[in-house]
Amino acid sequence: AQTVTQSQPEMSVQEAETVTLSCTYDTSENNYYLFWYKQPPSRQMILVIRQEAYKQQNATENRFSVNFQKAAKSFSLKISDSQLGDTAMYFCAFIKVYNQGGKLIFGQGTELSVKP
Amino acid sequence: GAVVSQHPSWVICKSGTSVKIECRSLDFQATTMFWYRQFPKQSLMLMATSNEGSKATYEQGVEKDKFLINHASLTLSTLTVTSAHPEDSSFYICSARGQGDSPLHFGNGTRLTVT
Repeated sequence: AQTVTQSQPEMSVQEAETVTLSCTYDTSENNYYLFWYKQPPSRQMILVIRQEAYKQQNATENRFSVNFQKAAKSFSLKISDSQLGDTAMYFCAFIKVYNQGGKLIFGQGTELSVKP
Repeated sequence: GAVVSQHPSWVICKSGTSVKIECRSLDFQATTMFWYRQFPKQSLMLMATSNEGSKATYEQGVEKDKFLINHASLTLSTLTVTSAHPEDSSFYICSARGQGDSPLHFGNGTRLTVT
């Protein structure tokens, strides 16, 4: 069975600074996807970034980037130039290749506070 | 972009009654839908996976007779909480995906309060 672990229940960062959220996972699969989702107080799940396991290049979306270390099964999220609107719960998630009946498994979450 | 509509967004019901939550894919055919439950400050726990036209697959520890899932069409899945009790109060979220390698899309969730 796959597991996803986020070891940082809470993090805080000053506005405009950089913060890194950690995530590790365990799987015997070789093909899979990893995601970071943001859940603001509205509780809407917002996809932040997605990484395909077969791609060595780390995914980047504007101020958000990941450090994907497949051998170490590590998938951290870096938020640059933090903004107040980045305050939210962040979930790391894993799914094995869709057409093999994959289901999205979430980590415990990290509550990020961006302080002015 | 693809949209998943979840209804109602919040509901209050009395203990012992049943509540139905709908999850609709508005602009794509959802071959698979997932139902999650989330307690405050906690993660999303997968309850069950439903595929159109077949019985849902429940996660270990989830009572299938209490949480009835129906995926009768490619655009609609429903979760019925039967004989609700206060401990069933929670936030329920659905997600849906189309065929092949299409991404997952989430509904806005339903806050259920059982009094």
